[in-house]
Amino acid sequence: NAGVMQNPRHLVRRRGQEARLRCSPMKGHSHVYWYRQLPEEGLKFMVYLQKENIIDESGMPKERFSAEFPKEGPSILRIQQVVRGDSAAYFCASGRDYGYTFGSGTRLTVV
Amino acid sequence: DQQVKQNSPSLSVQEGRISILNCDYTNSMFDYFLWYKKYPAEGPTFLISISSIKDKNEDGRFTVFLNKSAKHLSLHIVPSQPGDSAVYFCAASRRGGADGLTFGKGTHLIIQP
Repeated sequence: NAGVMQNPRHLVRRRGQEARLRCSPMKGHSHVYWYRQLPEEGLKFMVYLQKENIIDESGMPKERFSAEFPKEGPSILRIQQVVRGDSAAYFCASGRDYGYTFGSGTRLTVV
Repeated sequence: DQQVKQNSPSLSVQEGRISILNCDYTNSMFDYFLWYKKYPAEGPTFLISISSIKDKNEDGRFTVFLNKSAKHLSLHIVPSQPGDSAVYFCAASRRGGADGLTFGKGTHLIIQP
């Protein structure tokens, strides 16, 4: 009974490198949401995806960030040329009914 | 522009007493509200939700109240237990939850023995 699986749990990148965060939704869920939590802040919505389709990316920064959810495999949140301000916890959730289920998150540290 | 506000960063309550966590929102298009609990280094865990057509929803020790005219909701936990110590996030959504959630900054609840 796997919940929402995110990996890696911790990711350290140097400034300018690329970060790839993975999310596998709960079995049977075809929708994925990505959220970012900066220190001392609440979670901020980034993007909502269905398989092979971006439904709402209104929370995504305009540059360097992209997300996909291919027909096969996990959803990927990709951050190119990371900067220190990208350091945060990134959470993925699945499910459209009440009570989205969240993964344990990936903590990205940019050094 | 903070559309969902939790004005108390922390709250300390004695074990066995009632904990009341408050949340205000500004966007009148929100029609679905949720409370999440979060422990350090874990993802948020869903607690309870309420649709805008209701003013109260109860689940065990947890009750959520919604006052639409005041754009205010609250979470009551009674009786409070040590395991309730966590950060509580209020969240809101449009279209019955189909849209992404807008979260408040959270309230750190501390249950004292």
